[in-house]
Amino acid sequence: DTEVTQTPKHLVMGMTNKKSLKCEQHMGHRAMYWYKQKAKKPPELMFVYSYEKLSINESVPSRFSPECPNSSLLNLHLHALQPEDSALYLCASSPSGQVEAFFGQGTRLTVV
Amino acid sequence: GENVEQHPSTLSVQEGDSAVIKCTYSDSASNYFPWYKQELGKRPQLIIDIRSNVGEKKDQRIAVTLNKTAKHFSLHITETQPEDSAVYFCAATWGYGQNFVFGPGTRLSVLP
Repeated sequence: DTEVTQTPKHLVMGMTNKKSLKCEQHMGHRAMYWYKQKAKKPPELMFVYSYEKLSINESVPSRFSPECPNSSLLNLHLHALQPEDSALYLCASSPSGQVEAFFGQGTRLTVV
Repeated sequence: GENVEQHPSTLSVQEGDSAVIKCTYSDSASNYFPWYKQELGKRPQLIIDIRSNVGEKKDQRIAVTLNKTAKHFSLHITETQPEDSAVYFCAATWGYGQNFVFGPGTRLSVLP
């Protein structure tokens, strides 16, 4: 398996809902990331996990809560989001000791 | 922190012509410079990268050049084809994805 897989592909949620985004990779990569991408903009880093530990949190609001249950899985828990949080959420991973980042196909989130 | 600029923001070329996209970075510690291609509604895909100990790298119709002194790097696509139409992002980092800073992107259109 040479891919980063994200589910769901699309998600519509209300501002009072709680939902989770899921990311999986089975390439043995030990660094995993969450990015947010708005239309016509570059990806913006949100969180970095290195060896299942949160190493970077780019001042992301607490309504976004990451979780890394094991080395293959990364979740992003969403609660009380705002319409401006609507975006493409991308997961990426990197091999240990390497810099290259490989992206999943993303979850397109719409907050209504 | 790192700041990456990218030019032009849009580029139209005739099929078969060459396309050049230029990026500059600010942090002299950056040592890894990837280029990503993102088609509409899809994930960013790594198409080529270069490390700071190399001045040029080629992969078929794609090449990247790096000038560390001037802190700029460029993507060259020769013999462009309609399927090269996409948004291209450059990025710079000195470590893992936590330091990934993307340029604002270039929308390339290859006209048949």
